[in-house]
Amino acid sequence: EAQVTQNPRYLITVTGKKLTVTCSQNMNHEYMSWYRQDPGLGLRQIYYSMNVEVTDKGDVPEGYKVSRKEKRNFPLILESPSPNQTSLYFCASSTRGHQPQHFGDGTRLSIL
Amino acid sequence: SQQGEEDPQALSIQEGENATMNCSYKTSINNLQWYRQNSGRGLVHLILIRSNEREKHSGRLRVTLDTSKKSSSLLITASRAADTASYFCATRTDSWGKLQFGAGTQVVVTP
Repeated sequence: EAQVTQNPRYLITVTGKKLTVTCSQNMNHEYMSWYRQDPGLGLRQIYYSMNVEVTDKGDVPEGYKVSRKEKRNFPLILESPSPNQTSLYFCASSTRGHQPQHFGDGTRLSIL
Repeated sequence: SQQGEEDPQALSIQEGENATMNCSYKTSINNLQWYRQNSGRGLVHLILIRSNEREKHSGRLRVTLDTSKKSSSLLITASRAADTASYFCATRTDSWGKLQFGAGTQVVVTP
């Protein structure tokens, strides 16, 4: 089954404790992206990757890091999480950047 | 800043009625996409319309695009309770990967 898998689905952690949210897709997509969703703001793009070893900033990259060492994986790293990063996070992928995206089921992060 | 803005923010209709929601955007686009999100779940792609297209259909969905007014509309005909969801427009301003979403329209369809 074609899918984008995020882990964990839920996480409660504390300020400053480094965390990684993993994202994996099994569709051989070149393009992957991370979004955060906050009430009233819709989805905002954090980072995207056009292909392996090619990443670029979205609209809200501050406080996040990503890497794209393999085509299928695109982890999101919060080196020193802060409470304003409490949000619902989505990973998505597509064949090319301009094509429709397939979304994962989301990761709800709470940073205390 | 957000590129797209949906209107209305919320819409409540009865089954069988049509639902129309609009999306306005600020800068020139390469394409515009509509997505649906069921409560707390990932988004599902509905329709993509390119900047040189004016109208597209998919089942009970009809999307129009007016680039002169920088606006798009999504029409759901003969709505069903299962159409209850939030609907988002997303615009791509170039082919290099940025996709910008609006805040969404929350649609509730009552039996």
